[in-house]
Amino acid sequence: GQSLEQPSEVTAVEGAIVQINCTYQTSGFYGLSWYQQHDGGAPTFLSYNALDGLEETGRFSSFLSRSDSYGYLLLQELQMKDSASYFCAATSMDSNYQLIWGAGTKLIIKP
Amino acid sequence: GAGVSQSPSNKVTEKGKDVELRCDPISGHTALYWYRQSLGQGLEFLIYFQGNSAPDKSGLPSDRFSAERTGGSVSTLTIQRTQQEDSAVYLCASSLGGNGYTFGSGTRLTVV
Repeated sequence: GQSLEQPSEVTAVEGAIVQINCTYQTSGFYGLSWYQQHDGGAPTFLSYNALDGLEETGRFSSFLSRSDSYGYLLLQELQMKDSASYFCAATSMDSNYQLIWGAGTKLIIKP
Repeated sequence: GAGVSQSPSNKVTEKGKDVELRCDPISGHTALYWYRQSLGQGLEFLIYFQGNSAPDKSGLPSDRFSAERTGGSVSTLTIQRTQQEDSAVYLCASSLGGNGYTFGSGTRLTVV
């Protein structure tokens, strides 16, 4: 089947760095995306990796290793507003290029 | 429009009634998706429209659920004979391709 695994919850301290991991078992894998969702809000697109390596967008970076079926989202200089749920999602050619979603990681930031 | 618009934002309905949820995607986006999300949970895929192709209905939980997309634009998700377990936030998203989904703000459905 198609599945993605990510931790259900991660806790970090304001100003620190946190990494949220995602492993996938997805046939026809095409790329890995990350979305952020604040409580009561809609998911918003953060990043997309089609190739191995690191993609950096400001304080957020995303990494992909196709050989390891693994990726991560790195958040630096954590701010309280980064408290949210983070979803990894794989694009699958075998699912008509739809996104297959992880269950989400709740990031709790402490002052 | 500038974003994905969903209406209503909130809907309270009595058990057994039918409801219609509307999604107006970003103009030009060929793909449209419906998801359901319960409190604190992940996204449950419901249905996917891509251009003029037959929709992927594999996520619809029962035959009480149906959706259509008219003219390749606006979509309506209909739930017949609502049950309490249908209570959730229903999210619509659109995209040009397989990445970069833009979500609407959702419809919070409460069945009482």
